[in-house]
Amino acid sequence: DAGVTQSPTHLIKTRGQQVTLRCSPKSGHDTVSWYQQALGQGPQFIFQYYEEEERQRGNFPDRFSGHQFPNYSSELNVNALLLGDSALYLCASSLAGGNTGELFFGEGSRLTVL
Amino acid sequence: DQQVKQNSPSLSVQEGRISILNCDYTNSMFDYFLWYKKYPAEGPTFLISISSIKDKNEDGRFTVFLNKSAKHLSLHIVPSQPGDSAVYFCAASAHGANSKLTFGKGITLSVRP
Repeated sequence: DAGVTQSPTHLIKTRGQQVTLRCSPKSGHDTVSWYQQALGQGPQFIFQYYEEEERQRGNFPDRFSGHQFPNYSSELNVNALLLGDSALYLCASSLAGGNTGELFFGEGSRLTVL
Repeated sequence: DQQVKQNSPSLSVQEGRISILNCDYTNSMFDYFLWYKKYPAEGPTFLISISSIKDKNEDGRFTVFLNKSAKHLSLHIVPSQPGDSAVYFCAASAHGANSKLTFGKGITLSVRP
């Protein structure tokens, strides 16, 4: 049973560029959430997708956008990259209607902005 | 504005002893609390959760205690094992399970053999 998979695992971009990160949820899960983890900090909620719609959003600018596909996989797009966007981006999947709050996380995509 | 606080950045305990990891929160709307464990180069993994209608939840060696009046929760690990060495995150949500999580900064636990 494949867990949450993310790609790429590492990438380097320069300021002003755009990046797309990808996530495949755990089999059977229909909800995908994205988190940003800066060095020495806990994960910070970006947004959550369910039924191809953004259901909740954290305190991130519009440069951060996402998409969920019919097969429940998801993309995170960041435009006009800033140095401060350097972080580990974590994708987490869950089942809508689940009652434990348990999120299954991928290993993350490490983004470095130079 | 940090709504979930893990004020101790690290904790070191002897194998076999109890580990107590503390977490404080400020948002009284939080009604669901979780603990996650993270090893290097891996994503966080779920450990245990507790609803605000309870004050204790136990799962094997792990017990979470919730004190709503103090806005404080703690994770007890008994007995501690070297494999428990990891970063532990406390997280909370304001609309029950499956809602967005607010995480603390994490505590690095080291269990000495």
